[in-house]
Amino acid sequence: DAGVIQSPRHEVTEMGQEVTLRCKPISGHDYLFWYRQTMMRGLELLIYFNNNVPIDDSGMPEDRFSAKMPNASFSTLKIQPSEPRDSAVYFCASSRHTGRVRNEQFFGPGTRLTVL
Amino acid sequence: AQKVTQAQTEISVVEKEDVTLDCVYETRDTTYYLFWYKQPPSGELVFLIRRNSFDEQNEISGRYSWNFQKSTSSFNFTITASQVVDSAVYFCALSEGLNAGNNRKLIWGLGTSLAVNP
Repeated sequence: DAGVIQSPRHEVTEMGQEVTLRCKPISGHDYLFWYRQTMMRGLELLIYFNNNVPIDDSGMPEDRFSAKMPNASFSTLKIQPSEPRDSAVYFCASSRHTGRVRNEQFFGPGTRLTVL
Repeated sequence: AQKVTQAQTEISVVEKEDVTLDCVYETRDTTYYLFWYKQPPSGELVFLIRRNSFDEQNEISGRYSWNFQKSTSSFNFTITASQVVDSAVYFCALSEGLNAGNNRKLIWGLGTSLAVNP
């Protein structure tokens, strides 16, 4: 399996620009997670989906952030307008549901976002 | 409330030393899962192990071993005969309540940065 795929791997943009991060989960996985990692705040869960439906978006910082999952093999995280404090590494992860078992999450390589 | 504490922010050892990374968790749930992940300098997060609360057997995988003790709410990770390639940040995580239905959140510790020096 190819693993979780994220693009782009690096993004440098200017404040005020729109940024779109992309994720392709592992085939057959029905959960998809978006995380943000910074030195100050560690690893933060932003939102997660089950079968393409958002389950919990309580971690989304503010209205500038939005996430979609139009189908089982693709998700986007959009920031509009971007701000310097959004600079971070954004990870996408996926996992497979098996009853009441909590399976591990498999992470993509991350997108390093720098907002100037 | 669920919480994961990794009290050791940074550890530095010399190659071939044994090292233990501590993880203490808090939960009101009787059924839960614990995880360890590794984040090497390249940045990706790599799954190492999952343990459910019903299984208190210790686990060994090569130079890695895990000690799960419900009595002290700890899930410690030991690397035996450490190597330079073990240098990474290690995260401990806890699943939220299995009684919470569809909840799939992980509660993450802040990580322990391990430096293994030659």
